[in-house]
This record gives sequence, C-alpha cells and structure tokens, in this order.
Amino acid sequence: AQKVTQAQTEISVVEKEDVTLDCVYETRDTTYYLFWYKQPPSGELVFLIRRNSFDEQNEISGRYSWNFQKSTSSFNFTITASQVVDSAVYFCALSGQHNQGGKLIFGQGTELSVKP
Amino acid sequence: GAVVSQHPSRVICKSGTSVKIECRSLDFQATTMFWYRQFPKKSLMLMATSNEGSKATYEQGVEKDKFLINHASLTLSTLTVTSAHPEDSSFYICSARAGPGGEQYFGPGTRLTVT
Repeated sequence: AQKVTQAQTEISVVEKEDVTLDCVYETRDTTYYLFWYKQPPSGELVFLIRRNSFDEQNEISGRYSWNFQKSTSSFNFTITASQVVDSAVYFCALSGQHNQGGKLIFGQGTELSVKP
Repeated sequence: GAVVSQHPSRVICKSGTSVKIECRSLDFQATTMFWYRQFPKKSLMLMATSNEGSKATYEQGVEKDKFLINHASLTLSTLTVTSAHPEDSSFYICSARAGPGGEQYFGPGTRLTVT
C-alpha cells in the first residue's frame, strides 16, 4: 500500500523565518515519483516539484529547497526567509511505479501561516 | 505550463437536482483525466480516473451511478453529480495528463454547495 504522511497539520511562523515541512512516504514500488503542491486560499493547486525515486539530489529553486532521503523515506520541503505570500496549504504526494495510471496519493497537507 | 480549466467555478444547487462540472485541457490533448474531491481542511481524495473513449475507473467507495464521468474527447471530461444531497457539497478538482508518465496539470476546482 502507498501512503503519504505529513505530520504537521499547521505551522505558524513570522516573516523571514525559515520553515521546513515534513513528508514521509510508504511504498513498495522501486520506481516512484514524489511531488509537492501549494494550495493558496483560492483553492487552485500549484505544482512545485516532481522528483523520481532514482534522483536523490537535493534541489533548490529560489527560496525553496527539497531534501529527498530514500533511507528515511522522506521528502522534506524548506522555505527560506518565508514571506506572507507563502501562506497556504502544502501537499506532498506520491505516484507509484509506471505512475500506476497516474494516481496521486496525497498527504493530509500542512497549513502554513506566515505572519508579518 | 499547460492549462486546465473547470466550469463552473462555483455552483449552488438544490437537493435532488443534478450538476455537471466540466474539465477542459486548453492547450494539450489529455488522454487521461482525474477527478478529486476535497473536503474543508482535508486532503484531496481521488474519485476516479477517466481515459478518453473508455469507461472511468472509480476508486473504492465512490458510487459510479452517483458520480457520472464522461471523457468523450481528448480535451473534455465531465463529472455529473446526480441527485445531489448536502453531503455532496465539496470542492471538486480535476487534473489532466497528456500521456503515460506525463505531468499532471490541475484545474482551479469547482466548489459545489447543495442546499
């Protein structure tokens, strides 16, 4: 069975703080994909990153960075110098081998609140 | 990136009526479309997968006679909530994919309220 766990339901930080959103996944597939999406109050999902299971390199994109560690089945997301506009719900998601038809298994989401 | 639209963005209907939600891929042909449901403060739950020209595959626990899905063309899938009840009120999100292994692009969602 596949499962994604985001243990942090809500996080509140003050602007300019760094914040890390945790994501732990479970899968028996050897090939899989991990994703992060942002859902602002408007509701539309915004794609942030896709990572395949064979690529453990960490990635940085501006203030965003991702740490993928297969040994701990984690794919954590860090926002550096957070801004009010980062306030949103963030979802981690998993798609199995051969994309299993493309099914995405979502975590419960972490609601990030960045206060000025 | 690719664009997926949904119509309507918001709909309010009376209990017992049916509501149709459209999902369109605007700049690519989507061989597969997915329908998700999201309750307030909750995660997205996959309802069904639809491939163009064939019947949709529903997830366990989703009533196929209640949630009718049609994927008649490579750019359009529709979700019809039949005989809607207040418990069907939710945020419905579609996504579209160009082909196997392709990126999935999400629509902006449709907020359904059944009174």
